[in-house]
Amino acid sequence: AQTVTQSQPEMSVQEAETVTLSCTYDTSESDYYLFWYKQPPSRQMILVIRQEAYKQQNATENRFSVNFQKAAKSFSLKISDSQLGDAAMYFCAYRSAWNDMRFGAGTRLTVKP
Amino acid sequence: DTAVSQTPKYLVTQMGNDKSIKCEQNLGHDTMYWYKQDSKKFLKIMFSYNNKELIINETVPNRFSPKSPDKAHLNLHINSLELGDSAVYFCASSQAGRSGNTIYFGEGSWLTVV
Repeated sequence: AQTVTQSQPEMSVQEAETVTLSCTYDTSESDYYLFWYKQPPSRQMILVIRQEAYKQQNATENRFSVNFQKAAKSFSLKISDSQLGDAAMYFCAYRSAWNDMRFGAGTRLTVKP
Repeated sequence: DTAVSQTPKYLVTQMGNDKSIKCEQNLGHDTMYWYKQDSKKFLKIMFSYNNKELIINETVPNRFSPKSPDKAHLNLHINSLELGDSAVYFCASSQAGRSGNTIYFGEGSWLTVV
């Protein structure tokens, strides 16, 4: 079974600075997708960014980018120019081409003004 | 327009009661899910339906029974509620196969059993 590990239960960053959230996963499949979801206190699950495993280029969405290392099975999220609104739980998720999505335990990000 | 909507958003009920949470998606997806998020924020898949057919049923007590009247709806019925059922329940949907790699979530239903 696929597993997703987020080794940082909590992280904090100063406003306007950069923070990187770590994620590793375990799979024997070659075709899969990786995601970062943000969950603010409202509990809504908001898609931040996604990466197709077959693409070598790292995905980028405005201030959010990933460092995808397929051989190392690592998928970290970098948040640049952090804003107060970025404070939330961040979940890393894995999905194979045909199966459901599996989540890591989450990282709580605090942004200090 | 809300893509995945679930009702009620908040539900407080007593132990032993039976309750239902409804979910509807207007994205035209053919796969729907129920996830449970416990007090430690861990998200776990409960059920997955594809075109009204159950395809995933994780280790969930049989007090939980999903029902899919059509591919746009997936309701969750819970019998004989227990304190440990208190959680946030998320409905979600996606398109089956490689074209639908992203799963879209509803806003969650906060269930509190007292």
